[in-house]
Amino acid sequence: DAGVTQSPTHLIKTRGQHVTLRCSPISGHKSVSWYQQVLGQGPQFIFQYYEKEERGRGNFPDRFSARQFPNYSSELNVNALLLGDSALYLCASSWKGGGPTEAFFGQGTRLTVV
Amino acid sequence: GENVEQHPSTLSVQEGDSAVIKCTYSDSASNYFPWYKQELGKRPQLIIDIRSNVGEKKDQRIAVTLNKTAKHFSLHITETQPEDSAVYFCAASISGGSQGNLIFGKGTKLSVKP
Repeated sequence: DAGVTQSPTHLIKTRGQHVTLRCSPISGHKSVSWYQQVLGQGPQFIFQYYEKEERGRGNFPDRFSARQFPNYSSELNVNALLLGDSALYLCASSWKGGGPTEAFFGQGTRLTVV
Repeated sequence: GENVEQHPSTLSVQEGDSAVIKCTYSDSASNYFPWYKQELGKRPQLIIDIRSNVGEKKDQRIAVTLNKTAKHFSLHITETQPEDSAVYFCAASISGGSQGNLIFGKGTKLSVKP
């Protein structure tokens, strides 16, 4: 069984640009959550999607948006990038059909904004 | 909202000694408490978790204890080995519904000296 996969693994963008990050959950998992991890800190919750609907949103500006597709994969979009958006963006999948499960993380996308 | 405090931020032990990391949480509704290990440049890996209907859980050299009244939980690693060196994160969430976003502590950098 493949784990959570994220693409791309690394990305360099310029301030003001837009970025799209992608995540494929573990097969059978219906929930995808996104986290931002700044160097030296714990992951911070951005969004959770379950069955294609937003179920939770963390304290992030409207420049951050996400969606989940019918196959349960997900995209995180960030507009008008700032230097402070530089971080490791982690996707976690969970929730099989029968109920909540542990959250498993992908390897992350390292975003650098210059 | 939920807030998770984690101590200590750094911990250095000799190989073979025990290590203890402590976390407190603020939301009494939280009922799921996972611990993640993150090695440098890698994804957070779930090492053990505990739900609020259990006071203690063990898995070989790792144990977690939960005190719901005091709202704190701890990770215990016995007979530490150099490969236990990593950053450890505690987290809390309200599981059981379709939500369940994790709120993380700031992490503990554990160094095990041979």
